[in-house]
Amino acid sequence: DTGVSQDPRHKITKRGQNVTFRCDPISEHNRLYWYRQTLGQGPEFLTYFQNEAQLEKSRLLSDRFSAERPKGSFSTLEIQRTEQGDSAMYLCASSLVSLTGGIQETQYFGPGTRLLVL
Amino acid sequence: AQTVTQSQPEMSVQEAETVTLSCTYDTSESDYYLFWYKQPPSRQMILVIRQEAYKQQNATENRFSVNFQKAAKSFSLKISDSQLGDAAMYFCAYRSADGNKLVFGAGTILRVKS
Repeated sequence: DTGVSQDPRHKITKRGQNVTFRCDPISEHNRLYWYRQTLGQGPEFLTYFQNEAQLEKSRLLSDRFSAERPKGSFSTLEIQRTEQGDSAMYLCASSLVSLTGGIQETQYFGPGTRLLVL
Repeated sequence: AQTVTQSQPEMSVQEAETVTLSCTYDTSESDYYLFWYKQPPSRQMILVIRQEAYKQQNATENRFSVNFQKAAKSFSLKISDSQLGDAAMYFCAYRSADGNKLVFGAGTILRVKS
């Protein structure tokens, strides 16, 4: 079990540039979540996938944000035309949900990608 | 919408002593899950303990235990025999039984003094 990994760990960009983050979940996990955490706050939900299907998106996810999980394995989160307000830690989490039972899954988090928009 | 409140921005404890972190939440649901996550400085968040709302028995994990008061919508974390490695930001989180996303509190910074 290698855990959830995220790449890059840090990203500095200029306002208006596009950035893309990658998340590799725990291998057998069928759910993948993206959260955003600003300094001194708890993480806030952005979106999640069940396999390759994106099932829910938060109002926080403006049209500049897009997430994909094309083969139901790794996921990417892209931010277009970055703004200074996008500066935050972007966390990925994964979980295994039983298709036959209730939702009792525990989410396991990656180390995050810290984005700084100048 | 569910909300989670952690009223203690920062707490300190002496090594080997016991500390309790507070968490309250607001929900109209009867079935849900509650979690405490630990986020050490510059390291990833890890699960400390979880509690199913339908269980009356408080969850325990070694030195970590919770005091779950469903009627009061309170979910505190007790850390016994505190160790230097317990120093971290602690987040309380809520999830609906049929939901997916976690709703987090603002966190409590725990400092452990030697």
